[in-house]
Amino acid sequence: DVKVTQSSRYLVKRTGEKVFLECVQDMDHENMFWYRQDPGLGLRLIYFSYDVKMKEKGDIPEGYSVSREKKERFSLILESASTNQTSMYLCASSLLRGGYNEQFFGPGTRLTVL
Amino acid sequence: DQQVKQNSPSLSVQEGRISILNCDYTNSMFDYFLWYKKYPAEGPTFLISISSIKDKNEDGRFTVFLNKSAKHLSLHIVPSQPGDSAVYFCAAKGAGNNRKLIWGLGTSLAVNP
Repeated sequence: DVKVTQSSRYLVKRTGEKVFLECVQDMDHENMFWYRQDPGLGLRLIYFSYDVKMKEKGDIPEGYSVSREKKERFSLILESASTNQTSMYLCASSLLRGGYNEQFFGPGTRLTVL
Repeated sequence: DQQVKQNSPSLSVQEGRISILNCDYTNSMFDYFLWYKKYPAEGPTFLISISSIKDKNEDGRFTVFLNKSAKHLSLHIVPSQPGDSAVYFCAAKGAGNNRKLIWGLGTSLAVNP
């Protein structure tokens, strides 16, 4: 069974704080993703990574950065948190095989920025 | 511009009846389509997928139909159960070694006892 874990289920931070969200997967997947989910807006891709130290911007990268130093770990960083970054953050991983890739999700982190 | 559209934000059905969730897409190069289910405060979980070379895939109570000429797919849940109440997301994958999925906005399904 693929397991994707996220460091916190709920997080409350203050405006201007630096925030780290950690994600770990245990299936040796090459691809890892960070999304945010907001009501009525679906899942929006922030960043993804297809290899260690490799990253690509998703649809809404502004205000975020990422780090992938090890294959199993993908971190999302909010350099200076703002109230409009209050959201549910979802990490996913996948393995591309035969042109097919199913993404496996972690439980999510509900971040509130005050 | 949304390449994957779920035009119904919500759907309500009676327990035991059929639930039909719809998804339209614009890009004829998508080669796989996936459905995910999401409960509140949890991550999405994979439900069922279909390759673009097929027109139907079935897994227990869940069946996905693909109509390529209409660029339309639908998820049928028969019979619907209260535990099926969740948000359902349709996602599509670009052809070849494309690593990303393109997501619809989701449809919230309520199955009433």
